[in-house]
Amino acid sequence: LAKTTQPISMDSYEGQEVNITCSHNNIATNDYITWYQQFPSQGPRFIIQGYKTKVTNEVASLFIPADRKSSTLSLPRVSLSDTAVYYCLVGDVSGNTPLVFGKGTRLSVIA
Amino acid sequence: EAGVTQFPSHSVIEKGQTVTLRCDPISGHDNLYWYRRVMGKEIKFLLHFVKESKQDESGMPNNRFLAERTGGTYSTLKVQPAELEDSGVYFCASSQDSTIVSYEQYFGPGTRLTVT
Repeated sequence: LAKTTQPISMDSYEGQEVNITCSHNNIATNDYITWYQQFPSQGPRFIIQGYKTKVTNEVASLFIPADRKSSTLSLPRVSLSDTAVYYCLVGDVSGNTPLVFGKGTRLSVIA
Repeated sequence: EAGVTQFPSHSVIEKGQTVTLRCDPISGHDNLYWYRRVMGKEIKFLLHFVKESKQDESGMPNNRFLAERTGGTYSTLKVQPAELEDSGVYFCASSQDSTIVSYEQYFGPGTRLTVT
C-alpha cells in the first residue's frame, strides 16, 4: 500500500477555503485516493474519492495531478463545524480491502 | 437508514477481566471490519468479515482477542483477559459488497475501552 504524507495540523478562519495536500509518491496503477473526515468522539466518515483529475461533491473537491503522486482536498468556505481530522488514504479499492490510516491532518477552524 | 451502532460506548475494566464489544452493521452490508486506535497511534485494522466468515484477521494482536459474527449480522469482539495496552477506541465499520469501485466504509462511533 502506498504511504501517504500530509500536514499534521492546519488552522483556518471561518469562511476561508482550505486546501490539504497529501503526497503519495509510490501510488500504484490500481490505487484510488480517498479522504475521510473524523470529528471528536465519532468514527471516520467518507468524504470523497478519486482516481485522476478532479472530483467534486457537495462537501469537497479533490484535485489530482496527472502524475497522481499527490492530491489536494479542497474545502470551500469552512465553518467551525469543519474542525476535524482529515485522512488521506491510498489503496486498491477492489476486493473490499481494509483501510490503512495515517496520522491525518488536524484542521482547526477559528471564528 | 440506521447507521453502524456499537455497544457499549465506553467500558472501564480492570486488568485480567473480560470485555465484549458489540457492533451492529448497516442492514444488508456483508462486509464488517474492526479497527482500533490506541493512545497516540493511528487507527489500525484488526479484522474483516464477509458475512459470517473471517476474510482477513491479520491485524488481530494476539489470541486474547476473539471476534465472531454469527449469522452474518452483528459482530462481537471479546478481549480475554484484558491487558493495559488494550486500552483504546475500537471502531466497527461496514460496507456493501458491490461491483462499484469504492473505498467507502461506514464507521460506528466507537467503543472507548479503558483497562486499569
